[in-house]
Amino acid sequence: SQTIHQWPATLVQPVGSPLSLECTVEGTSNPNLYWYRQAAGRGLQLLFYSVGIGQISSEVPQNLSASRPQDRQFILSSKKLLLSDSGFYLCALDRPNSPLHFGNGTRLTVT
Amino acid sequence: AQSVTQPDIHITVSEGASLELRCNYSYGATPYLFWYVQSPGQGLQLLLKYFSGDTLVQGIKGFEAEFKRSQSSFNLRKPSVHWSDAAEYFCAVGANSGYALNFGKGTSLLVTP
Repeated sequence: SQTIHQWPATLVQPVGSPLSLECTVEGTSNPNLYWYRQAAGRGLQLLFYSVGIGQISSEVPQNLSASRPQDRQFILSSKKLLLSDSGFYLCALDRPNSPLHFGNGTRLTVT
Repeated sequence: AQSVTQPDIHITVSEGASLELRCNYSYGATPYLFWYVQSPGQGLQLLLKYFSGDTLVQGIKGFEAEFKRSQSSFNLRKPSVHWSDAAEYFCAVGANSGYALNFGKGTSLLVTP
């Protein structure tokens, strides 16, 4: 069965520092991959999605970027973190006719 | 434009009591509808989904939901709540893909002894 690995599980970073969150998947090939952010009281916000290697679509312009260097790897990055980047970041995947499947998330606190 | 409304931010029920979480949607075509559950500090787990066919959908953990087109609703129900059901519940609507899926803001369920 398909599995999503996200790390780290928690992260505390100072304002202005860089960020790299990694998401890797197992048990499936050619998935669509997604980065969502969940902030308190605001539900889930889609940040980026990718339908293939090197193909990234951004839903919300902001301080973050994403890359997909391999079919099963999706990376969320920032050159300089802002306080407003704090939140719970969720990686997800789907396949044709298959519902969205989520990883366990990374809790990011920017101090 | 598509949207999802979960009118109840918090709900408290007693263990063993029945539960209904409300979800209303706005969508221009026949919707795909989902309910997800999130335990603290965890990702979201799919409870059930509706694509077509029987409007009463059975899910995992004893949950069910009923699609009512006339009311634009997809309410989640459980006959008898267990303490382990305490979590955040999200309704989602849209096409069968993550980039076109709209999530509600969630309902936090508290279960009391």
